[in-house]
Formats: sequence, structure tokens, C-alpha cells
Amino acid sequence: RKEVEQDPGPFNVPEGATVAFNCTYSNSASQSFFWYRQDCRKEPKLLMSVYSSGNEDGRFTAQLNRASQYISLLIRDSKLSDSATYLCAVMNRDDKIIFGKGTRLHILP
Amino acid sequence: NAGVTQTPKFQVLKTGQSMTLQCAQDMNHEYMSWYRQDPGMGLRLIHYSVGAGITDQGEVPNGYNVSRSTTEDFPLRLLSAAPSQTSVYFCASSYDRRETQYFGPGTRLLVL
Repeated sequence: RKEVEQDPGPFNVPEGATVAFNCTYSNSASQSFFWYRQDCRKEPKLLMSVYSSGNEDGRFTAQLNRASQYISLLIRDSKLSDSATYLCAVMNRDDKIIFGKGTRLHILP
Repeated sequence: NAGVTQTPKFQVLKTGQSMTLQCAQDMNHEYMSWYRQDPGMGLRLIHYSVGAGITDQGEVPNGYNVSRSTTEDFPLRLLSAAPSQTSVYFCASSYDRRETQYFGPGTRLLVL
């Protein structure tokens, strides 16, 4: 089982809808969690870190569930510009930062 | 600040050739890492470094060497290129391993 797993999608969602992604991790000692966004043929860029209590940044909400070992990303009122691949990343105690394969999101006009 | 820079942007190699992919950052970041990205495989960690003089293996280290003689530079060496190493290579850095990683623009490598 891969350390970090995501549904590859694609998720095809109409503009204005709410979409949610999950990312599961296998190492219970994982310490830090992140969501990155990657546009086609570009480098990944941080979308948001994920904190234990959950955190929100505008239309984006990230949650961490340590008991079930997953993190989630919720996008409300989706925009055409949200179309991208969303990557989750997990840092383990051995200092390795492992990425999931990414979830592709297409926002439809 | 230039951020994270990578050279070259594109490279074509023949099987068996060696080369070095350069990565540099000017943000005084301690943590640096190399990833490769292949279709359907996501980002896979090759090697990483928590500071100058310290390197360690990631998920897919075979066929690659790294060194970290300075805080700024983290070159990735392909010892004997193979077609399986055709990929997009990203270098990333962060102030601390728990902090945001900043990625370079990537190097697209084709091994024939």
C-alpha cells in the first residue's frame, strides 16, 4: 500500500458547486500535512497547510482526521480557475515528505 | 529573491550518459529535496537533505546521487542514464521540513 493515496479523478464539477477530496496516509506517526495545487506543466505550489483543528482560507477548508488517517480539502463555490491537480503531502518522522498521486479537478462552465 | 532555480530546463541524453541537474535556492532554506514526476505516478521523492553535509534517500533513489556541500546548492547526478529515468524532475526547498516547500520550475529529461 502506498504511503499516501488519493483518488486520481478526474472530478468534473459545474462552476459554483462544492467539491471535496480526501487523502489517506498509512504512517500513523506522520507529523505535517499539506495540500498543493499544480497547474498543467507547472511546478506544484502550496495551497494550504493542514492543522489539527482544521483551517479555512476563503473558499478552501482543510481538515485532518488522525484517528482515520486522512486529510480532506473542501472547495466551495468553485471557479473555472480552480481547475488543476490537487496534491496532498505528508511529512513523516524520518523527515521524508511524501506526495499522493494527485486528484485532477475540472470545473465546467 | 530568485527562489528555487533549476538548470537546465530541458535535456536529451543517450542511454549510459551521465549528467548533473542543478538546483539552487537563495532563501537560506535548510531542507531541500528532489522529486521526479511521471504520468499517473505523482511526485516521488528521490533524495532529500535536512542541511548542508546531510543527505538521505527517498522513495526512488537508485541511479541517482546527491551532495549538499553548501546550504544553497543541491545537485542531482544521474550516473548512467536509462530510458526509465525519462521524467520531469523538480527540486524543492523549505526553511524547515515542517514548513511550505517551494518548488523550482522543473527539468524535463528525455533519455533515448
